[in-house]
Amino acid sequence: DGGITQSPKYLFRKEGQNVTLSCEQNLNHDAMYWYRQDPGQGLRLIYYSQIVNDFQKGDIAEGYSVSREKKESFPLTVTSAQKNPTAFYLCASSIAGGRYSPLHFGNGTRLTVT
Amino acid sequence: AQKITQTQPGMFVQEKEAVTLDCTYDTSDPSYGLFWYKQPSSGEMIFLIYQGSYDQQNATEGRYSLNFQKARKSANLVISASQLGDSAMYFCAMREVQIQGAQKLVFGQGTRLTINP
Repeated sequence: DGGITQSPKYLFRKEGQNVTLSCEQNLNHDAMYWYRQDPGQGLRLIYYSQIVNDFQKGDIAEGYSVSREKKESFPLTVTSAQKNPTAFYLCASSIAGGRYSPLHFGNGTRLTVT
Repeated sequence: AQKITQTQPGMFVQEKEAVTLDCTYDTSDPSYGLFWYKQPSSGEMIFLIYQGSYDQQNATEGRYSLNFQKARKSANLVISASQLGDSAMYFCAMREVQIQGAQKLVFGQGTRLTINP
């Protein structure tokens, strides 16, 4: 079955360490996205990528970095510069173009930094 | 400025009743899309229904329908015959822009729906 795999489901890190969240999709989608969700809040866009080797900052990109070397993969690195990294991170993908292209989401990674 | 507003932080409904979740939006773009997602306690986001700004008919998907009132800028989700499994967070989202095929969605704060037996 096609879908989006995020790993790990739970991640714990010490303050000051960089951490990379994995996102892999086998839906053959060109566009991929990273969202952050804080408790009781909606989703906020961190980064998105329209195509391999290209990506754009979203609304809250500071303290994060991404790469898109393969169509299937869009890893997110939470750097030590991110002041409040503890959150739920969701990866998504969509067909590029078209008016009706819903985002398909992974199951998320819950990151706790202490 | 907030572009998606969901005014109901929480709702409690009896099983088998219909429920309406409110969503208002703000945009000056004549072409936009509105999405509803369901987020169970497990965390994944499940796409429910889509309404395009130029669509003449209100969207329907099984027990879900979208009450789209363009002049009032509202896109309320209606769930008919609610079930216990409908208990979840529900998010309204608007496609803000489309950049080279990628869609920037802006999400509301969500409504937590609880279905009581």
